[in-house]
Order: sequence, then structure tokens, then C-alpha cells
Amino acid sequence: SQTIHQWPATLVQPVGSPLSLECTVEGTSNPNLYWYRQAAGRGLQLLFYSVGIGQISSEVPQNLSASRPQDRQFILSSKKLLLSDSGFYLCAWSAIPGFSEAFFGQGTRLTVV
Amino acid sequence: AQRVTQPEKLLSVFKGAPVELKCNYSYSGSPELFWYVQYSRQRLQLLLRHISRESIKGFTADLNKGETSFHLKKPFAQEEDSAMYYCALSFGSSNTGKLIFGQGTTLQVKP
Repeated sequence: SQTIHQWPATLVQPVGSPLSLECTVEGTSNPNLYWYRQAAGRGLQLLFYSVGIGQISSEVPQNLSASRPQDRQFILSSKKLLLSDSGFYLCAWSAIPGFSEAFFGQGTRLTVV
Repeated sequence: AQRVTQPEKLLSVFKGAPVELKCNYSYSGSPELFWYVQYSRQRLQLLLRHISRESIKGFTADLNKGETSFHLKKPFAQEEDSAMYYCALSFGSSNTGKLIFGQGTTLQVKP
């Protein structure tokens, strides 16, 4: 069966420090991969999505970047964190665009201090 | 631009009352629409999709292309329905994999 792993679960980082959140999927090939930020009152904001290795689409201008070095690995990064980067980040995957269910990771609570 | 709007942040009803969670979308093509639910301390998960035309846990949702709506309904709410509900839009088989969500509605079912 397919599973999605996202880590770490919580992270406290100082302003100006780098960030790397990792997400891996098991049990499927060539998934679509997504990074979302979940904020109270703003719902789920799509940050990045990827339909293949090295293919990244960015949805909103921000201090973050994403990479997909392997088929089932999706990484969210920042070179220098801002206070406004604090939030709850969710990784997700789906098998077929449009018709397929998206499966979500447990999420990472990031606090920038 | 594609958009999903859920006008209510919070919907509070009593057990046994009907529930309607509103969702409107903006997309010029053929949309694929979903409802996702997040129960307390659980992962966000799919509740139902319009293409399946199914009823899950007593919930149904009908796509109304004229009104660009996909409201979620249940005739008799149960306490265990209390959760955060998200409406989501994808763009069909020719899309680039994009899946967007509304702002979410918290459903509170009181005893």
C-alpha cells in the first residue's frame, strides 16, 4: 500500500536560518507531489506542485523553494527563514491528476523565532 | 484565475439538523471537485468526489455548473461530523497536476 512520510513533525528555527522539510512517498511511481501551507482563516494554500523529477511549479511568490531530486521525494527549503514563514506545512501526493484522490502527510509545524 | 470559495468559516448546528456547507468555484473549463475532511488530530482525507456521485457518511454534493457551486449536504447532522471541511478543485486529465482548496469551514455539531 502507499504511504507518505513527512518530517519533522515540529520545528523551531531562528530567523535567518535555513530550512529543509522532507516528504517521501512509498508504494507508487511518478506521483504528483504538493506542498501546502495551512493557516487559520486562509485554508490550504498551494505553494508548489510537481508532476515529475525536477519539474516544479510555484504558486505564490515567497521565501521558499521546492525541489524533487527523486521520483518520490519532495523537499521544501529556504535559505533564510522569515518570521512570516511560520505555519503548518502539508505534503501530499496523488496518482492521476484530476481524477485521483490526494493523500496527505501528517504535517510539520514550523515556528520561526 | 482558478479559485475556490467557502464563504463560511464556522457553521454550528444542533444534532439532527440539516447541514449545508457552501462551496463556489471559478474555472472556465471542466472542473473536478472534491470535498476533504479533517477530523481532530487526524490527517486531511478525501470525503467525496463529484465524479463518483456517491454518498459518504450521509453526505452528498451536487455539481451545479450554472451556479458554479458544489455544496456539501447532509439531512441529519451527527456529533461525529464535527470537523474542518475543505472544498477542492482540480482541472481534469489535461491539467498540470494542480489541486487547489478553499479556505475551509469548521462544522460544529452540538448535542
